[in-house]
Amino acid sequence: EAGVAQSPRYKIIEKRQSVAFWCNPISGHATLYWYQQILGQGPKLLIQFQNNGVVDDSQLPKDRFSAERLKGVDSTLKIQPAKLEDSAVYLCASSLVSPGTGFRGTQYFGPGTRLLVL
Amino acid sequence: GENVEQHPSTLSVQEGDSAVIKCTYSDSASNYFPWYKQELGKGPQLIIDIRSNVGEKKDQRIAVTLNKTAKHFSLHITETQPEDSAVYFCAASMNSGGYQKVTFGTGTKLQVIP
Repeated sequence: EAGVAQSPRYKIIEKRQSVAFWCNPISGHATLYWYQQILGQGPKLLIQFQNNGVVDDSQLPKDRFSAERLKGVDSTLKIQPAKLEDSAVYLCASSLVSPGTGFRGTQYFGPGTRLLVL
Repeated sequence: GENVEQHPSTLSVQEGDSAVIKCTYSDSASNYFPWYKQELGKGPQLIIDIRSNVGEKKDQRIAVTLNKTAKHFSLHITETQPEDSAVYFCAASMNSGGYQKVTFGTGTKLQVIP
């Protein structure tokens, strides 16, 4: 079974520039998550999709971050304009159903995209 | 919202010794507690999980215990090996608006010294 794919793996931009990250979840996984992981901290949920609908974006800085999941499969996360404090690893994860409802709820993480904002 | 505290932030053990990582959570509604291992340059990987109706779960050298009354759960790794060196995250999950919401701890960097 192929894992969660993310691209690019690394990105360096200057502040105020725009950047976009792409995620391809495991086939058949209805739930998709974007997390921000700042160095030395645990992942923080930015947005959660169930199929192509948003179920939780309470911690997404909506003035600069946006995300979409067209057709309930791939997803993109965009930052515009980027700030220095956005430097972090952006992790995408997927699960068959929402976690906690059974084995199928396990979250599988991609390798992440490392963003450096100069 | 849920708050998960994790201790210690760093842990060094000799190969073959045991390692224990502890987490506390704040919301009694949390009902699912996964543990993740994150190696350098990789995403977190689930290593073990426990549900609120179970007090203990074991998988080979890894075990997790849960005390719902104290809102406390722990990861135990026995007979540690150098390949156990990584950052470990605990998490607490609860139903929120019909979906499970996961909150992660701050991580423990485990170093196993050969």
